[in-house]
Amino acid sequence: KQEVTQIPAALSVPEGENLVLNCSFTDSAIYNLQWFRQDPGKGLTSLLLIQSSQREQTSGRLNASLDKSSGRSTLYIAASQPGDSATYLCAVSRAGNNRKLIWGLGTSLAVNP
Amino acid sequence: NAGVTQTPKFQVLKTGQSMTLQCAQDMNHNSMYWYRQDPGMGLRLIYYSASEGTTDKGEVPNGYNVSRLNKREFSLRLESAAPSQTSVYLCASFRERGIGYTFGSGTRLTVV
Repeated sequence: KQEVTQIPAALSVPEGENLVLNCSFTDSAIYNLQWFRQDPGKGLTSLLLIQSSQREQTSGRLNASLDKSSGRSTLYIAASQPGDSATYLCAVSRAGNNRKLIWGLGTSLAVNP
Repeated sequence: NAGVTQTPKFQVLKTGQSMTLQCAQDMNHNSMYWYRQDPGMGLRLIYYSASEGTTDKGEVPNGYNVSRLNKREFSLRLESAAPSQTSVYLCASFRERGIGYTFGSGTRLTVV
């Protein structure tokens, strides 16, 4: 059974710091992995989608890597800003027609001015 | 703006009442999903629809029904609401490449 774990559960950093959020999964037979951001009381915003054949994806100050063999993904945030404060969720999709997501519980990030 | 639209945003129900949560997407995606989000439990899949005309149960389908009315719309119905169904309900659609999953802003439901 696929399980997704995110460490740490919470993180507080000063503005400007580079940081790494971790996501691990137990079954390497994934279709893709996606990182999301959720602001308090809001829905989820997709940040980066990595297909199983890819090693990384970049968008602005965000870079996500995928190592299927070790069951790990990292989300790197460069030069963090207070506006980056949110909960970051990772989810893996199983191969097959339904593409259902298996979710981690998220990392709550606070970037302090 | 293109995306996933959920209505209502907030709802309070009394135990035993029924209601339908609406979800619509204008991105021509085939797959649509209903999740519930609870503190400490993460997101759990209620029902999904891989394509128009098909629906399947997820992890926690009991107490819910769904309808894939057309390609755009996927509704979730609570026939007899219970306090255990107090949650945030999130609808999503999926595209094979590019953006992957797109979520609506959610419906915050309280059953008293």
